Formats: sequence, C-alpha cells, structure tokens
Amino acid sequence: AQSVSQHNHHVILSEAASLELGCNYSYGGTVNLFWYVQYPGQHLQLLLKYFSGDPLVKGIKGFEAEFIKSKFSFNLRKPSVQWSDTAEYFCAVNAHRSYIPTFGRGTSLIVHP
Amino acid sequence: DAGVIQSPRHEVTEMGQEVTLRCKPISGHDYLFWYRQTMMRGLELLIYFNNNVPIDDSGMPEDRFSAKMPNASFSTLKIQPSEPRDSAVYFCASSLRGADTEAFFGQGTRLTVV
Repeated sequence: AQSVSQHNHHVILSEAASLELGCNYSYGGTVNLFWYVQYPGQHLQLLLKYFSGDPLVKGIKGFEAEFIKSKFSFNLRKPSVQWSDTAEYFCAVNAHRSYIPTFGRGTSLIVHP
Repeated sequence: DAGVIQSPRHEVTEMGQEVTLRCKPISGHDYLFWYRQTMMRGLELLIYFNNNVPIDDSGMPEDRFSAKMPNASFSTLKIQPSEPRDSAVYFCASSLRGADTEAFFGQGTRLTVV
C-alpha cells in the first residue's frame, strides 16, 4: 500500500522568507503526485501536480515542486512567502493501479507579516 | 460547473441521533471519495465509489457508518447512531479518472456531536 510522509507538521516563517516543505512517498511503481492547499475554513484546492515529463513542476501563486524519483520525494518550494500563504499544505500520491488518492498528514504554515 | 457541492455546511447533533451528509459530485466525474479530517488523524479516506459502485470501504471506522451512491450525481454518508468522537470535517471529492487526475473537493461538512 502507498503512504505519504510530510516531515514538517508546523512551519512558521516571516514574510519574504523562502519555503520548502518535505514530502516522501512509499510506492515502487508509477505515481502521480500532487500538492493541495487548504486556506483557513476552506476546502482543499490543487496547487500543482506531476504526472510525467519535467520533474520541476510550477503551480499557482509562485509555488513549485520537484520530483526526485530516486529519493521518492516531491518537495514543495516557494522563494518568497506572503502572509496570504498561511494555510495547511497536503502532499498526495495516486498510484497508477490503486486509484486512491493518499494524503499526507499535512503541514501547517503560518506566515507572519 | 459549480464544483463539488456538499450539504449541510455545518451540523450539530446530539449523541445517538442519525446524521446524513450529502454530496453532489462534478458532472461527468466517475470517482467519488469521502474523507474525514480531524486534528488527531489528519485526512482519512473513508470510502470511494467508481461509477456509483463502492470499491473500497476499508476506511469506514465501524458499522455505524454507511455510504451510498444511488446515481452519478448524488452520494450520502450516514452515521447512525452518532457519537461525540465522530465530530470532524467530512469532505467529499470527485475525480474524472481516479489516479490520472486530481481530486476536486467540496467545501466540507463540519459535524459536531454533543
């Protein structure tokens, strides 16, 4: 069975700081990878996704993620965070044969103005 | 399309009462997922359907929980009887081809059982 591990449960940054959130998955086959964001009191929304091709994926609002197959990782990055990035961030993986999106526990990001 | 629609947005009920949560997936999506989100356990998959058929309900915590999808545009998650530990936010999500596409989430139902 696939699983997703997010290393940072809580991250606190000041505006303009750089962000990197770790995500590792365990599954030996082909996977699709996602990052979702959940703003306070709202539902999950897709930030970016990786299916194939260029392992560096750019998403909305200046976010990007890099798929490193050898490390089973899909870390999320943003060079300069804003107060409005305060949210919960979820990494998710779909194994090609399971059809079940599996989510990590999430990382709570607080950005101080 | 209006997206995935869930109702009610908030539900407060007394322990022992029956609770029914509703979901309308995005038209044309053939996968539907029910998730539960709590502080302690994060986002847990309860059950998912493909073309209205329940495929995997291994995440349903116990027999008090049941889910149905009578047609392609409607699903329910029922808890009977409800208990305080069922308090959580319940999300419904749908996707077009399962693993090949992202899931689109509804706004969630915040359930409080007192």
